[in-house]
Amino acid sequence: QLQLQESGPGQVKPSETLSLTCTVSGGSISSTSYYWGWIRQPPGKGLEWIGSIFYSGTTYYNPSLKSRVTISVDTSKNQFSLRLSSVTAADTAMYYCARLDRTPGISGTHFDYWGQGTLVTVSS
Amino acid sequence: QSALTQPRSVSGSPGQSVTISCTGTSSDVGAYKYVSWYQQYPGKAPRLMIYDVSKRPSGVPDRFSGSKSGNTASLTISGLQAEDEADYYCCSYTGSYTLVFGGGTKLTVL
Repeated sequence: QLQLQESGPGQVKPSETLSLTCTVSGGSISSTSYYWGWIRQPPGKGLEWIGSIFYSGTTYYNPSLKSRVTISVDTSKNQFSLRLSSVTAADTAMYYCARLDRTPGISGTHFDYWGQGTLVTVSS
Repeated sequence: QSALTQPRSVSGSPGQSVTISCTGTSSDVGAYKYVSWYQQYPGKAPRLMIYDVSKRPSGVPDRFSGSKSGNTASLTISGLQAEDEADYYCCSYTGSYTLVFGGGTKLTVL
């Protein structure tokens, strides 16, 4: 059974960089059938797609966050990571990692496995 | 890239059917057959319920169905049960390898 687990600091100071890692178990992150992504959800609000990555390192980002986001993959550790720079209170959210089923020629189009999420609070 | 539009809340009695709409534009929902729906209980991660507009993953009851007409996608839950009370989110491919979610709908089972 595929499992995804987010890890990283629960609190980040304003203007600093948020860093999270998603560890995948029960399956290979190097599969050509899937993308891997990050989604966030501010308290009491809706879901927001942050970005997706293929095992080869190809990335796609939400245009509204693109200037601050970097997603990377480490196939040797079966992990992928999120970095969000220059954070503000508006970046306080539950952050989820998830697997996306790949549609040939399109990229990932839906999230079929999710991690449990990790809450990141931006506060001094 | 604006969020897709969903009603903030819908409700229905046990046994009834409810439909949740998800309105986008001709650049996202209207342009592609890649709309998905997620169920989320409070404090839990979302769960995939429908993908590619109308396909159900293994394990999802056939009470859940999806459809699309023009720029609006819909999730219909028939034979409503108490356990269906949750938040529901739609998501669409928007082209240029990007995705956008709806604002979410709270389903109340009366």
